[in-house]
Amino acid sequence: AQSVTQLGSHVSVSEGALVLLRCNYSSSVPPYLFWYVQYPNQGLQLLLKYTTGATLVKGINGFEAEFKKSETSFHLTKPSAHMSDAAEYFCAVSYRTGANSKLTFGKGITLSVRP
Amino acid sequence: NAGVTQTPKFQVLKTGQSMTLQCAQDMNHEYMSWYRQDPGMGLRLIHYSVGAGITDQGEVPNGYNVSRSTTEDFPLRLLSAAPSQTSVYFCASSLKRLNTEAFFGQGTRLTVV
Repeated sequence: AQSVTQLGSHVSVSEGALVLLRCNYSSSVPPYLFWYVQYPNQGLQLLLKYTTGATLVKGINGFEAEFKKSETSFHLTKPSAHMSDAAEYFCAVSYRTGANSKLTFGKGITLSVRP
Repeated sequence: NAGVTQTPKFQVLKTGQSMTLQCAQDMNHEYMSWYRQDPGMGLRLIHYSVGAGITDQGEVPNGYNVSRSTTEDFPLRLLSAAPSQTSVYFCASSLKRLNTEAFFGQGTRLTVV
């Protein structure tokens, strides 16, 4: 079965520091990969996605992620953290099951940004 | 555009009561789904639908029913609420293709006492 692993539940960085949020997946077929962000008391919104083509994908708010098939990883990075980046981040994988498709989420990582 | 609209935003139920969480989307999306979010558990799929008249179970379907009579609406019914169903519920919709973005509602915070 396909799954998504996000190591750790909480990451804290200083404002201006590099943000690195890790995501690994297991899938018997190449998946589609997503990062979603959830601000307090809100729904999830898409940050970026990898479907095909270039393995380095850029998203909103300066975030980017690189698909590495050999490492089954899709880590999220941002060169310089901003206070407004404090939120919960979810990695997700989309795969087909029978005639249908499912979106499976990791457990999420809470990002805190220190002044 | 309204996107995905969930009602109510907050609800308190007594154990054994039933209720329906409403979800509507105005983007003509074929695919709709319900998730529950619990601390440390991420989002877990309850039920989903790939089109009007078609529903299927997700990871945690017990205690919940769904139906899809129209493309726009996908209500989630709690048959007999239990404290274990205290959670935040999210409805999402997307085009049916695997590589498309899912759009989420604002969530319903449900407490069962």
